[in-house]
Amino acid sequence: GQNIDQPTEMTATEGAIVQINCTYQTSGFNGLFWYQQHAGEAPTFLSYNVLDGLEEKGRFSSFLSRSKGYSYLLLKELQMKDSASYLCAGMDSNYQLIWGAGTKLIIKP
Amino acid sequence: DTAVSQTPKYLVTQMGNDKSIKCEQNLGHDTMYWYKQDSKKFLKIMFSYNNKELIINETVPNRFSPKSPDKAHLNLHINSLELGDSAVYFCASSREGSSSGANVLTFGAGSRLTVL
Repeated sequence: GQNIDQPTEMTATEGAIVQINCTYQTSGFNGLFWYQQHAGEAPTFLSYNVLDGLEEKGRFSSFLSRSKGYSYLLLKELQMKDSASYLCAGMDSNYQLIWGAGTKLIIKP
Repeated sequence: DTAVSQTPKYLVTQMGNDKSIKCEQNLGHDTMYWYKQDSKKFLKIMFSYNNKELIINETVPNRFSPKSPDKAHLNLHINSLELGDSAVYFCASSREGSSSGANVLTFGAGSRLTVL
């Protein structure tokens, strides 16, 4: 079956760095997405990886290893506004998104 | 200007009723979607639709039906509501068709449906 695994919740300190891991199993693979969702709001797009390696975008970076079925989202210089859920989603061979349940990130001062 | 707007934001209704949630996008996107986010926060695709093709998730009960009067609108109609239908429903759109890799979704703010 198809599956996305990511931790349910993580806690980090303002100004620090946090890495949110995601492992995926999909039927075929057409890329890995990360979305941010603040409580009670819509998910918003953060990153898309389809090739191995690290993609950096400001304070956020996303990494992909296709051979390991693994991705992570790296958040640097954490700010209180980064408190949100981070959703990992893999795209299968039919271009269908398989979503994880999200990782709730709590930032403490 | 809201890119993807859906109404109502909150909907409380009785079991057995019929209700609709409306969605409009002003991004000029070709494809629109309906997602259900349950209490465990999983996002599950219900429908994807463009001018040419409606793709239905086979696990969606036929009490749910999408209606698209034009490319910018995709409404969700639900018949005979059940307790298990309580969830947050998200509308989304994308520029690319649903058969494309870098298919970034723009979501609406969600409609929280509570069935009593």
